[in-house]
Amino acid sequence: GQQLNQSPQSMFIQEGEDVSMNCTSSSIFNTWLWYKQDPGEGPVLLIALYKAGELTSNGRLTAQFGITRKDSFLNISASIPSDVGIYFCAGQKGGAGSYQLTFGKGTKLSVIP
Amino acid sequence: DGGITQSPKYLFRKEGQNVTLSCEQNLNHDAMYWYRQDPGQGLRLIYYSQIVNDFQKGDIAEGYSVSREKKESFPLTVTSAQKNPTAFYLCASSAGTGGNQPQHFGDGTRLSIL
Repeated sequence: GQQLNQSPQSMFIQEGEDVSMNCTSSSIFNTWLWYKQDPGEGPVLLIALYKAGELTSNGRLTAQFGITRKDSFLNISASIPSDVGIYFCAGQKGGAGSYQLTFGKGTKLSVIP
Repeated sequence: DGGITQSPKYLFRKEGQNVTLSCEQNLNHDAMYWYRQDPGQGLRLIYYSQIVNDFQKGDIAEGYSVSREKKESFPLTVTSAQKNPTAFYLCASSAGTGGNQPQHFGDGTRLSIL
């Protein structure tokens, strides 16, 4: 099955720095989701985006639904140690078969205190 | 407290053995899903169910089977036909299958071969 192109694959940043990651696809998606996964745990939904161009915040997290519907971005401001984990993007096409999510391979974030 | 419960947390399978992973949700969600996660990879869909007594194959259904006899339960059986079963298995559910009904995940079951 198709997978999204998520980058970067991993990041090492200093505490307090801002972080940016993105997902791109050759296909159009009508919903973009961002999840965070801690080791040995299931992914937790951070932000859901339902409209092209939409910019949504959740605390220090901000995500945008690309205007072309083929990409999405997640920014984390003023990173803290508990931001460590793997961040996944997921796209949902909508319409027939709208249930199916296509996942990126994840961005592993490490925060240096 | 509402949520998705997967059990066991860790499971070991012997060669030629079938094993069943449990997934229970008390969110009153109609749709449930099983994913497989391998190191450094995104999640891949094994099976999904939109409603009780109905389920469909995902991208990697070979070697797996499911049932959906109750709304709150969606067990996954890893059969002996699955030759590479070692992975982290995640169950998810959503209120429906529409675009504005995101999937929420359980905490996973890690399956290993003895």
